Amino acid sequence: DTEVTQTPKHLVMGMTNKKSLKCEQHMGHRAMYWYKQKAKKPPELMFVYSYEKLSINESVPSRFSPECPNSSLLNLHLHALQPEDSALYLCASSQEPGQGADTQYFGPGTRLTVL
Amino acid sequence: AQKITQTQPGMFVQEKEAVTLDCTYDTSDPSYGLFWYKQPSSGEMIFLIYQGSYDQQNATEGRYSLNFQKARKSANLVISASQLGDSAMYFCATVAFYNTDKLIFGTGTRLQVFP
Repeated sequence: DTEVTQTPKHLVMGMTNKKSLKCEQHMGHRAMYWYKQKAKKPPELMFVYSYEKLSINESVPSRFSPECPNSSLLNLHLHALQPEDSALYLCASSQEPGQGADTQYFGPGTRLTVL
Repeated sequence: AQKITQTQPGMFVQEKEAVTLDCTYDTSDPSYGLFWYKQPSSGEMIFLIYQGSYDQQNATEGRYSLNFQKARKSANLVISASQLGDSAMYFCATVAFYNTDKLIFGTGTRLQVFP
């Protein structure tokens, strides 16, 4: 089973709102990722958690705040977003970070619209 | 630094025919992995196939095969017996073994299968 789940599927929020995206996997994977994907573009890496610790932050603005409460869960907290932050947000997980080329398995994504 | 180039923005293929999607890569790392992902209009990134730089044989997964030509730095995806459900965006990606958390994507090829 290579399932990564994400909620919600769609989210519309105003620029003053605070919302959170949730990602979950039960494959025992120890690395989890957040990507942002604009229309007709490839995904762009935002954050990586390796063994529940933040290992990569790709210079993402502070209005995006990741959290990894445990090895199965990954949240992305959103605050004071801009309309240009509207995108598809993809979560992924992989089995063993740092162990050769580790396949990343993606969730279905959350389509975010910021008004 | 690594780079993936996909020169075909769009491809058309008739149902039941085979199609090749091109991917070239540039890396100075001696050990790396190459991936192909499929992204239907629903948004989920679906892992298709993986090839390691030291693998002697070309990878195959059902109707998908990866034509790996190391000297030419190419990793083309071949889809045999195309089906209507193969219509999607296809991304080639690479990761360096020393930095396995960062997946580098190409710009993608949109494949349309017609009856």
